Amino acid sequence: AQSVTQPDIHITVSEGASLELRCNYSYGATPYLFWYVQSPGQGLQLLLKYFSGDTLVQGIKGFEAEFKRSQSSFNLRKPSVHWSDAAEYFCAVGARTNAGKSTFGDGTTLTVKP
Amino acid sequence: DTGVSQDPRHKITKRGQNVTFRCDPISEHNRLYWYRQTLGQGPEFLTYFQNEAQLEKSRLLSDRFSAERPKGSFSTLEIQRTEQGDSAMYLCASSLDPPYEQYFGPGTRLTVT
Repeated sequence: AQSVTQPDIHITVSEGASLELRCNYSYGATPYLFWYVQSPGQGLQLLLKYFSGDTLVQGIKGFEAEFKRSQSSFNLRKPSVHWSDAAEYFCAVGARTNAGKSTFGDGTTLTVKP
Repeated sequence: DTGVSQDPRHKITKRGQNVTFRCDPISEHNRLYWYRQTLGQGPEFLTYFQNEAQLEKSRLLSDRFSAERPKGSFSTLEIQRTEQGDSAMYLCASSLDPPYEQYFGPGTRLTVT
């Protein structure tokens, strides 16, 4: 069965600092990988996705993520955080053989200090 | 395209009552998913449809839960005889087949008193 671990429950960074959110997955083959962001009271918004090809993927709002097969990781990065990035971030894995059904991590809450 | 919509946004009900939620997916999307999210957790898969066919249902979903997607358009999720443990945010998402990237609605927050 597929699973996702987000080791950091809560991260605090200063505005303008760089950010890296960790995601580790368990799946028997190459999965589909996603990062979503959820602001309070809102639904989830897709930030970026990995299906195949280039292991460094670019997303919206200046985010990027790198798929590392050897480490079973898909970490999310941003070079300079803005106060509006404060939210909860979820990593998800989708099985290629059961396409569409996604398993989510428990999320990382990002706080941005002024 | 207005995105995925869900109705109602909030529902407060008494234990033992039945509730029904509606999800309207993005019009050209043939896949529709239901998830449940509790505080401090990520969304948990409940069920999904390809067009009008319900292809998978989570083993965690009790018999009190039922979902339909008549004519492959909107979907409803019904919970019968609600329990306090059903209190959660119920999220709906839709996608094309492939690339399977899911677009989520704002959710329906259910509170069972």
